[in-house]
Amino acid sequence: EVQLVESGGGLVQPGGSLRLSCAASGFSFSSYWMHWVRQVPGKGLVWVSRINSDGTSTSQADAVKGRFTISRDNAKNTVYLQMNSLRVEDTAVYYCARDYQFGSGTFDNWGQGTLVTVSS
Amino acid sequence: DIQMTQSPSSLSASVGDRVTITCQASQDIYNYLNWYQQKPGKAPKLLISDTSNLKRGVPSRFSGSGSGTDFTFTISSLHPEDIATYYCEQYDSLPFTFGPGTTVAIK
Repeated sequence: EVQLVESGGGLVQPGGSLRLSCAASGFSFSSYWMHWVRQVPGKGLVWVSRINSDGTSTSQADAVKGRFTISRDNAKNTVYLQMNSLRVEDTAVYYCARDYQFGSGTFDNWGQGTLVTVSS
Repeated sequence: DIQMTQSPSSLSASVGDRVTITCQASQDIYNYLNWYQQKPGKAPKLLISDTSNLKRGVPSRFSGSGSGTDFTFTISSLHPEDIATYYCEQYDSLPFTFGPGTTVAIK
């Protein structure tokens, strides 16, 4: 069974940093692209970032470019999202999601999410 | 960025009713469209990929159609467990973008 478990969320002040982790199990992690998608509570879904299967290629949404960095450790079956210079508008539930097919943008499995709150 | 719109934003229907949601893209996305279901407090779940391909294990009462800029998601007979918010998503080009969602309630 595919499992994705996020961790690392919490309360942080504006300008601060946080690193999210997503531990994967139940599939061949190193074969799949991975994504982060966020959702302000009560609002819609917003794609944040993706990383290819070996970690050599990444893409980010303009809203986080230069501030967030996605990475992965295939030996640990984990994908990360390093979030720097956090803003109030980054407050959201952050989901990691597995890509169905080579970065296509089809998210076939999701974690349960981790809440990031940016507030003073 | 490709903008996605959905209508209606919410609907209320009776058990057994046919429910239809439309999704429109701001430009041609061919058939690069997915549908997700999100129940309250839960993560989204992929229901349909490539406009009309039902994910394995998803009930056949769910279906999708369309191409280009106009797409439709249908529940042929609404079940109580279908209460959720449904999102369309385009994956024709980065950034991947979602519609604002349609919340389905039981009348």
